[in-house]
Amino acid sequence: GENVEQHPSTLSVQEGDSAVIKCTYSDSASNYFPWYKQELGKRPQLIIDIRSNVGEKKDQRIAVTLNKTAKHFSLHITETQPEDSAVYFCAASLTRIQGAQKLVFGQGTRLTINP
Amino acid sequence: DVKVTQSSRYLVKRTGEKVFLECVQDMDHENMFWYRQDPGLGLRLIYFSYDVKMKEKGDIPEGYSVSREKKERFSLILESASTNQTSMYLCASSLIGRNEQFFGPGTRLTVL
Repeated sequence: GENVEQHPSTLSVQEGDSAVIKCTYSDSASNYFPWYKQELGKRPQLIIDIRSNVGEKKDQRIAVTLNKTAKHFSLHITETQPEDSAVYFCAASLTRIQGAQKLVFGQGTRLTINP
Repeated sequence: DVKVTQSSRYLVKRTGEKVFLECVQDMDHENMFWYRQDPGLGLRLIYFSYDVKMKEKGDIPEGYSVSREKKERFSLILESASTNQTSMYLCASSLIGRNEQFFGPGTRLTVL
């Protein structure tokens, strides 16, 4: 089955700097890669996702890149702000013809933005 | 706005008790999921369901069962709770054919 590895487990950056979180996956058939953000005491929420037919996707200060050959994808946050402090989870999924889309999550990265 | 609710935010049970965790979604989603969240391990899928009375095992189903009698409700059952089932339990739902999952607020279960 699919296995997703996420690094680093913790990341601390100065406000205004960039942050990068990386994930690798094992199943080359996986074709959907979302990123979820979980603020302290709150539920995970989708912040950005990418499909395997696209190499990069941006949404304001966040971007995701995908390298299918190397089977890794990354989350990039630029101009970090205190509200970016949270735990971030990557995931991978294989489109199924029937039934639910099953996500396999990485271990999570605790991002701290220092003022 | 999608709303996924869970019956309790905090729950304390004793070893050997039967435990029910309830999840309800109000957006007519076909798919529902149960995860447990542990530090350093991320979110691990316990069971999921893509239709009423349909269920599939996730990655860590041992010690758990589920029930889906109505489309909006998905229950996680711990037949005989053990201390290693102390964890945060998250429910999620999604539309059929759609990837985005919407999560509930979580239930922090402590088994003594």
